[in-house]
Amino acid sequence: NAGVTQTPKFRVLKTGQSMTLLCAQDMNHEYMYWYRQDPGMGLRLIHYSVGEGTTAKGEVPDGYNVSRLKKQNFLLGLESAAPSQTSVYFCASSYSSGVGNQPQHFGDGTRLSIL
Amino acid sequence: GNSVTQMEGPVTLSEEAFLTINCTYTATGYPSLFWYVQYPGEGLQLLLKATKADDKGSNKGFEATYRKETTSFHLEKGSVQVSDSAVYFCALSDRGRDDKIIFGKGTRLHILP
Repeated sequence: NAGVTQTPKFRVLKTGQSMTLLCAQDMNHEYMYWYRQDPGMGLRLIHYSVGEGTTAKGEVPDGYNVSRLKKQNFLLGLESAAPSQTSVYFCASSYSSGVGNQPQHFGDGTRLSIL
Repeated sequence: GNSVTQMEGPVTLSEEAFLTINCTYTATGYPSLFWYVQYPGEGLQLLLKATKADDKGSNKGFEATYRKETTSFHLEKGSVQVSDSAVYFCALSDRGRDDKIIFGKGTRLHILP
């Protein structure tokens, strides 16, 4: 059972570099989400997608871009990394219920450090 | 806007102690409520959920009851184990808002043998 798979698991970048985080799910979920987790802040939603070809902004979208070209994949891009983007990034996916009672399934996270 | 408030940690207990982690929420409408658990080095995983008032969610000895009158969803377990050491997140789901989930800040639980 793969579930939600995130790659890479760890990465160190220099300020100004770019990179893409990949999230893949094999559960045929419609909805996918990217969060960042910082000490004392809980999880904050960066961007999300309600279906292939669609994306929307979450709570903290600045400095990030996303794409959902295939239903099973959701990519998070950092165009010009900044130290403030040092964080643990989590991808999640869920069925679309229409009434909000479906849980989200999470990957194991990507630990990103920006020097 | 909608929000979740849970007790700050860390919470440290001895094995076999009774656990309560408080969670209250603010929401318009009728949200679903969740508890997620995060073990070290892992992502969050659903522990239990409740979708309407007076529902009780339960799993692995943990329980929580959806209390609309007090807007609460407190997590309880009668006898904790060392293996329960983790971070616990209370969360609510906005119905009709793309199923987005709003998380509390998490409560770290340490269980001493």
